[in-house]
Amino acid sequence: SQTIHQWPATLVQPVGSPLSLECTVEGTSNPNLYWYRQAAGRGLQLLFYSVGIGQISSEVPQNLSASRPQDRQFILSSKKLLLSDSGFYLCAWSVLGAGAEAFFGQGTRLTVV
Amino acid sequence: ELKVEQNPLFLSMQEGKNYTIYCNYSTTSDRLYWYRQDPGKSLESLFVLLSNGAVKQEGRLMASLDTKARLSTLHITAAVHDLSATYFCAVDIRVYGNKLVFGAGTILRVKS
Repeated sequence: SQTIHQWPATLVQPVGSPLSLECTVEGTSNPNLYWYRQAAGRGLQLLFYSVGIGQISSEVPQNLSASRPQDRQFILSSKKLLLSDSGFYLCAWSVLGAGAEAFFGQGTRLTVV
Repeated sequence: ELKVEQNPLFLSMQEGKNYTIYCNYSTTSDRLYWYRQDPGKSLESLFVLLSNGAVKQEGRLMASLDTKARLSTLHITAAVHDLSATYFCAVDIRVYGNKLVFGAGTILRVKS
């Protein structure tokens, strides 16, 4: 069966520090991968999605970047965090095809102080 | 640009009552998903609706899709406290791989 791992679960970082969040998927090949952000009490904002190694689409201009160095690994990064980067970051995967619902990782709660 | 609108955004209801959450979207799509999120937790998939007229039921929840009206509903029957959560609908845009756009979510509180 497929599983998705996301870490760390919580993170407190100072303004201006770098960020690296990692997500890996097991049990499937060539998944679509996604990074979402959820601000407190708000909906989900799609940040990046990827349909293959090295293929990243960015949804909104921001202080973040994403990379997919391996088929089942998706990394969210920042060189210098801003206060506005605080939020709940969710990684998700799906497979291309009918009924391809997205399955979410447990999320990383990031607080920038 | 695809817009997905849910209403109501907040719903407080008594146990045993029925209610419906609505999800409207602005562009053609025949794939719609409903998710549940408990406070501080990730999202759990509830329903996948893949065609016009699709209806899915699980326990006290029933979801339907009308692609012509660009509307999905999530109906709650005889609500119980355990259904308290935030419910999101999401629409799939197949422009480049699969891309889900989420509504703002409906916070449901079921009172005893």
